[in-house]
Amino acid sequence: GENVEQHPSTLSVQEGDSAVIKCTYSDSASNYFPWYKQELGKRPQLIIDIRSNVGEKKDQRIAVTLNKTAKHFSLHITETQPEDSAVYFCAASMGSSASKIIFGSGTRLSIRP
Amino acid sequence: DTAVSQTPKYLVTQMGNDKSIKCEQNLGHDTMYWYKQDSKKFLKIMFSYNNKELIINETVPNRFSPKSPDKAHLNLHINSLELGDSAVYFCASSQFTGGGGELFFGEGSRLTVL
Repeated sequence: GENVEQHPSTLSVQEGDSAVIKCTYSDSASNYFPWYKQELGKRPQLIIDIRSNVGEKKDQRIAVTLNKTAKHFSLHITETQPEDSAVYFCAASMGSSASKIIFGSGTRLSIRP
Repeated sequence: DTAVSQTPKYLVTQMGNDKSIKCEQNLGHDTMYWYKQDSKKFLKIMFSYNNKELIINETVPNRFSPKSPDKAHLNLHINSLELGDSAVYFCASSQFTGGGGELFFGEGSRLTVL
């Protein structure tokens, strides 16, 4: 079936440390993998995305890696700051013509001061 | 200049009632979506429209009926509301379908069924 699994469900790190969130997907035809951040009471917003022809992408303190063979991808946040506290969702394009975005179950990231 | 706007933001109603949520986007996108976010924060796709045509219907009960009068609007009507329909409903739009790019979400409509 069409599924994206995400781990861990909750993550607490010390301010300044790194955080890693991992996802696996079921559809080998998936070709687009975005990550969304949702702050409390707000809408999800795209923070970074990667396409299947790229293995890694970086944007300042955040980076995403993709292993198509293993069907997994990860989000890395370095030098974490209090404003990084939020729920993070991985997602993957699936279905006919990759027409839909299926989300993982989310990771609640807390940054300890 | 809100890109994707939904109304109402909050909706409290009794079981068995019928309610609607409206969504409008001013981004010029061709594709619009409805997602449901339950109390555990799962974001589940319900429907997708591309230029007024239904392209995704994720086995949502018939009580849910989307309508897209034009490509800038996608409304959601829910009949005979049940307790399990309580959730936050997010409208979203994208320039391309699915794997084409970023989803722009509205602020969400929190539906509470009593």
